[in-house]
Parts: sequence; structure tokens; C-alpha cells
Amino acid sequence: AQSVTQLDSQVPVFEEAPVELRCNYSSSVSVYLFWYVQYPNQGLQLLLKYLSGSTLVKGINGFEAEFNKSQTSFHLRKPSVHISDTAEYFCAVNPKYSGGGADGLTFGKGTHLIIQP
Amino acid sequence: GAGVSQSPRYKVAKRGQDVALRCDPISGHVSLFWYQQALGQGPEFLTYFQNEAQLDKSGLPSDRFFAERPEGSVSTLKIQRTQQEDSAVYLCASSLATRAYEQYFGPGTRLTVT
Repeated sequence: AQSVTQLDSQVPVFEEAPVELRCNYSSSVSVYLFWYVQYPNQGLQLLLKYLSGSTLVKGINGFEAEFNKSQTSFHLRKPSVHISDTAEYFCAVNPKYSGGGADGLTFGKGTHLIIQP
Repeated sequence: GAGVSQSPRYKVAKRGQDVALRCDPISGHVSLFWYQQALGQGPEFLTYFQNEAQLDKSGLPSDRFFAERPEGSVSTLKIQRTQQEDSAVYLCASSLATRAYEQYFGPGTRLTVT
């Protein structure tokens, strides 16, 4: 089984400042890692994903995340935020399978990013 | 192309009523997932289909919850005898069989049980 911890339920940041949203996971098997964004009354939109290879991954809207296997972390960063980045951000994991099959994603509880003008 | 669509977007049900929530996946996506998102929480997995086969229903919270996908495309999540604790947003996601980990989500159906 997997679990995801997002320690910060809310992160207030001033516009144009940098931000980091923290995500830690626990799993007995190797996992794929994801960050999703949810705007009010909308579904989840994939921001970025780590499958393998380079531990620094870049996504949409200027976001990036770094996979740290030893710390079982996948923190999300943006060097300069905009008002439009105000949303709920979810970290998620999915176990890797070598022979096909699928599992539902396991999500954290989310972090509400609040951009202050 | 068209994304995942869900209907209705909002549903209010009196306690004890049955409800049916519909999901239209992206064309060509053989994998389909249902999630439940309670207020202020992350989505939680309910069930998974590959084509018409329901391969995992371990997340369904009770036998009042039932999902089907008879022709391998559209799926319906049915909740019988709704209870207040069923109030949540129900999200549907679809993916390609070869990339089942990369899921595309619909806008969700917000169910309120009064």
C-alpha cells in the first residue's frame, strides 16, 4: 500500500515570490509520482509527472518538481507565482507494474496555494 | 479532442434516494477509474475498469455503491439508499491501457444528500 503526506494544508505567498509545496510518500514498491492542480469547481489537471530518468521534472505553467528517493519526497516549486496560480494542489503516487495492470492513484490531502497581491 | 465528461455536474438527493452518475471517457481510453472526493480532502479511489471488466472494486465503501461499464465506454456509478456521508464530489478518470498511471480527470459530479 502507498500513502502520501502533504504537510501544509495552506501556503500563503505574495505574488511574484517563489513557492515550494511539500510532498512525502511511503510505499513498499517503486512508484510513479504526480502533481495535479484543481481550480474551484473543476476536475484535476496534471501539472507534471515523474516516471523515471532525470529527477528534476518540468511541467506546465512554470512548475517543476524534484524526486528525492532517499527522502521519499517530490516537492513542487515555482520561482515566481501569479495570482492565477491560486488553486488546490495534490500530490499523488501510483505503483509501477512490470507486467501491466493498473491501480488507482493515491492522493495526499492537498495544499491550498493562496497568492496575495 | 474532447476530454472526460461527467453528468450531472450537480445532484441533490434526499436521504434514501438512489442516484446514478455518468462518465464519458476520452475516446480510445480503455481504462476508467472512479474516485470520491470529500470536502477538503484528496480524491480516494473507488473502482477501476479495463474495457467492460471491473478489475478492482476494493475502494467502494459499501454494498450500496455499484459501478458498471457494459459496453466498455460509458460508465455509471450508482448509489442506492443515499446517506449524508455520501455527500462528496465523484470524479471519473480515464487512461490508455499502456499508460494506466497517466489519468485524465473529468470535472466531477457534486452530490449533496439532504
